[in-house]
Amino acid sequence: QKEVEQDPGPLSVPEGAIVSLNCTYSNSAFQYFMWYRQYSRKGPELLMYTYSSGNKEDGRFTAQVDKSSKYISLFIRDSQPSDSATYLCAMSAIGTGGSYIPTFGRGTSLIVHP
Amino acid sequence: DAGVTQSPTHLIKTRGQQVTLRCSPKSGHDTVSWYQQALGQGPQFIFQYYEEEERQRGNFPDRFSGHQFPNYSSELNVNALLLGDSALYLCASSPRDIREKLFFGSGTQLSVL
Repeated sequence: QKEVEQDPGPLSVPEGAIVSLNCTYSNSAFQYFMWYRQYSRKGPELLMYTYSSGNKEDGRFTAQVDKSSKYISLFIRDSQPSDSATYLCAMSAIGTGGSYIPTFGRGTSLIVHP
Repeated sequence: DAGVTQSPTHLIKTRGQQVTLRCSPKSGHDTVSWYQQALGQGPQFIFQYYEEEERQRGNFPDRFSGHQFPNYSSELNVNALLLGDSALYLCASSPRDIREKLFFGSGTQLSVL
């Protein structure tokens, strides 16, 4: 079993839909949770960064963390064709060197069609 | 303010050769991490550098080595290239106080033939 599980999709939705992207994890030592967006042939871009359980909102994006269930979600409201990308969840626990090293899911491909 | 820059953007090598990839971190960042991303997969952690030393290492063989310079820029070296080393190599920088908050460059696409 991988430490971080993420459905690769693709997930196809119409413009304006609410999108829900999810990850589960097995390592209870994970403390920081992040979502990245990656366009084709580009590096990942940090969208959301959170530490605690609960919700964090930023514009059209809401990140949700449930540590008791080891489950995180990213919601995108009023989705746009420009949101079409791969969304990577990442989470980190402290490593042997004293830093928190993110472990990534494999990413979910999202397609928003006009 | 320039973000993370990587060079070259693309590289083609043959098996057994050696390659060096370069990274300049975002201004104000002192930590550089390297990741390997195979097609259809998430990035896999290779190692992290700060204060010119390798601080943590992922599950990669010794053929993968690195260096950090006094200006915080970094190099990734891969020796004895294998076909399986073909991937997108990503450099990420982070600030001293939030090292888990990664800012990525656009990557170097390495093809090993």
